[in-house]
Amino acid sequence: DGGITQSPKYLFRKEGQNVTLSCEQNLNHDAMYWYRQDPGQGLRLIYYSQIVNDFQKGDIAEGYSVSREKKESFPLTVTSAQKNPTAFYLCASRPSGGGNNEQFFGPGTRLTVL
Amino acid sequence: KQEVTQIPAALSVPEGENLVLNCSFTDSAIYNLQWFRQDPGKGLTSLLLIQSSQREQTSGRLNASLDKSSGRSTLYIAASQPGDSATYLCAVRPISSGSARQLTFGSGTQLTVLP
Repeated sequence: DGGITQSPKYLFRKEGQNVTLSCEQNLNHDAMYWYRQDPGQGLRLIYYSQIVNDFQKGDIAEGYSVSREKKESFPLTVTSAQKNPTAFYLCASRPSGGGNNEQFFGPGTRLTVL
Repeated sequence: KQEVTQIPAALSVPEGENLVLNCSFTDSAIYNLQWFRQDPGKGLTSLLLIQSSQREQTSGRLNASLDKSSGRSTLYIAASQPGDSATYLCAVRPISSGSARQLTFGSGTQLTVLP
């Protein structure tokens, strides 16, 4: 089955720790995105990547880092510099090429700081 | 900066009722508008995408309209069912997003359909 997978589904972090959230897609999409969702709020863009080995900051990149070494993978690291990391994190991907292509979303990872 | 607002934040209706969810955006310079459904603790499922040149899109019991000049979109759900209970999010792709094509989201309307 084609799709986007995120792991783990739930993640607990102690203060001061870095954690990495996984996002994998087998849709052959070039572009990938990371969003953060807080309760009762919409999604806010953290980072995005349009092509392998390239990525750009979104609206709330501080305290986060990403890499894009493979087309299929776009992991997100939440660093200790992120002051309020407890949230629901969603990864998305989009086909390349022209046109107004939809973004497809993964099932999300819920991160809780203890 | 583009802002997207959804009103109401929450809505409860009895089963069988027709309902309308509202979405407004501040900058009419958009490529498209998309409606998503989100179940609790889950990812987003795309329901309808309306290109900026279109006025509406339909899928089954769902109909979405777009009035770009006034910065408004509505999602109409006919004959609502308990299974429609979820949070509905709208998102626009601003022209200013360029090749990145990132979306700007509203905060959603949480819909509960009572049996």
